[in-house]
Amino acid sequence: GIQVEQSPPDLILQEGANSTLRCNFSDSVNNLQWFHQNPWGQLINLFYIPSGTKQNGRLSATTVATERYSLLYISSSQTTDSGVYFCAVGSSNTGKLIFGQGTTLQVKP
Amino acid sequence: NAGVTQTPKFRILKIGQSMTLQCAQDMNHNYMYWYRQDPGMGLKLIYYSVGAGITDKGEVPNGYNVSRSTTEDFPLRLELAAPSQTSVYFCASSYEDRGMFFGSGTQLSVL
Repeated sequence: GIQVEQSPPDLILQEGANSTLRCNFSDSVNNLQWFHQNPWGQLINLFYIPSGTKQNGRLSATTVATERYSLLYISSSQTTDSGVYFCAVGSSNTGKLIFGQGTTLQVKP
Repeated sequence: NAGVTQTPKFRILKIGQSMTLQCAQDMNHNYMYWYRQDPGMGLKLIYYSVGAGITDKGEVPNGYNVSRSTTEDFPLRLELAAPSQTSVYFCASSYEDRGMFFGSGTQLSVL
């Protein structure tokens, strides 16, 4: 099955810094989503982005499907950005979405 | 809208017991999913459904069963609980396979 690899596994930032999280996948995909899991365990969908670029406030994401990777950019990070960021991909129209292992982000005040 | 509602939030089972985790959504989503998350790990897909009456196995289906008799409900059944099933279980739904919404999770311990 499709493999999903996220990097870096851990990231520590000072408040106000920018960061880039990466998601590599082993096969062509027609579905890619980014999620944030806050320290209380709640999972929030950030982007549905099988290709192209999207922006939502301080967050933006780019997927280059032909090169099998996606990037999540966080600008001017805040302590509330802390948590785990997951990438999930699907390679067919079956609805099956596979998650990466996540990047744990800690933003220090 | 309540979104995706999971019950119970916490449960402790003895080895060999059975239980059903409930999941309901009120967004008229056709796709529904069950994932488990072990401590410090990512989410593993247990089962998913693309519509009422249709279910399919994910990455880790052994020891679980599901049914999808209505669009709104997608219960997960654990038969003969084992310590390896100690985990946090998340239900999710989406319209087609876009924009997945998650429930708040069920923390299950099997002792």
